[in-house]
Amino acid sequence: AQSVTQLGSHVSVSEGALVLLRCNYSSSVPPYLFWYVQYPNQGLQLLLKYTSAATLVKGINGFEAEFKKSETSFHLTKPSAHMSDAAEYFCAVSSGGISGGYNKLIFGAGTRLAVHP
Amino acid sequence: DVKVTQSSRYLVKRTGEKVFLECVQDMDHENMFWYRQDPGLGLRLIYFSYDVKMKEKGDIPEGYSVSREKKERFSLILESASTNQTSMYLCASSSPGTGGTYEQYFGPGTRLTVT
Repeated sequence: AQSVTQLGSHVSVSEGALVLLRCNYSSSVPPYLFWYVQYPNQGLQLLLKYTSAATLVKGINGFEAEFKKSETSFHLTKPSAHMSDAAEYFCAVSSGGISGGYNKLIFGAGTRLAVHP
Repeated sequence: DVKVTQSSRYLVKRTGEKVFLECVQDMDHENMFWYRQDPGLGLRLIYFSYDVKMKEKGDIPEGYSVSREKKERFSLILESASTNQTSMYLCASSSPGTGGTYEQYFGPGTRLTVT
C-alpha cells in the first residue's frame, strides 16, 4: 500500500533563504508524485508532479522537486523564499489503481511553511 | 482552467441536522472526490465517484453518504451531523492528465462547524 511521510509539520525560513520541504513515500509500484500548496482559507493548488519523464521536476512559483528512487524521496525546494510562499504544502502519491478509470491520491499530513523578514 | 466550486465557504449547523455539501466542476471530469481536512492529519478521503451514480467508500465513510446524479455534481450528505464532523471539507475532480496521472483539482473548501 502507498503512504507518504512529510518530515516536519512546521518549517520556518527567512526571506531569501533556501526552502526545503521533505517528503518520503512508500509504493509497491512506480509512483506518480505530487506537491500541492494551500494558502489560507483556500483549496489545494497543484505545484508540480512527477510522472517518470524526468527526475527533476519544475513547478510554478519557482519550486522544483527531485525524485530519488533509491531514497524513496521527493523533496520540494525553492532557492529563495518569498513572503508570499507562506502556506501549507502537501505531498501526495497516487494509488496506481486504474480500475474504473480513477486514481486516488494518498496525502501526507502537510508542512506549514512560515517565511519571516 | 478547471473550476471546482463548492456551495458554501462557511457553514454552521446544529447536532442532529441533515447537512448537504454541494460540489460542481465544469471540466467534464469523470472522477470526483470528497475529503475532510483536519490539522495534523492531512486530507482523508471520505467518498469518491468515477461515474454518474457510481460511488465508492474512501478511508473514513462512516457518518457520510454521497450522491452523483449528474456528471458535474457530487454531493456529500451528513445524515445526522455530530460535533466530531466539524472540519474543513474539500471537493476535487480529476481526469486522465499527461501520462494518465489523474492530478486532482480542488474547490475552495467548506468549513463546517457543528454545535
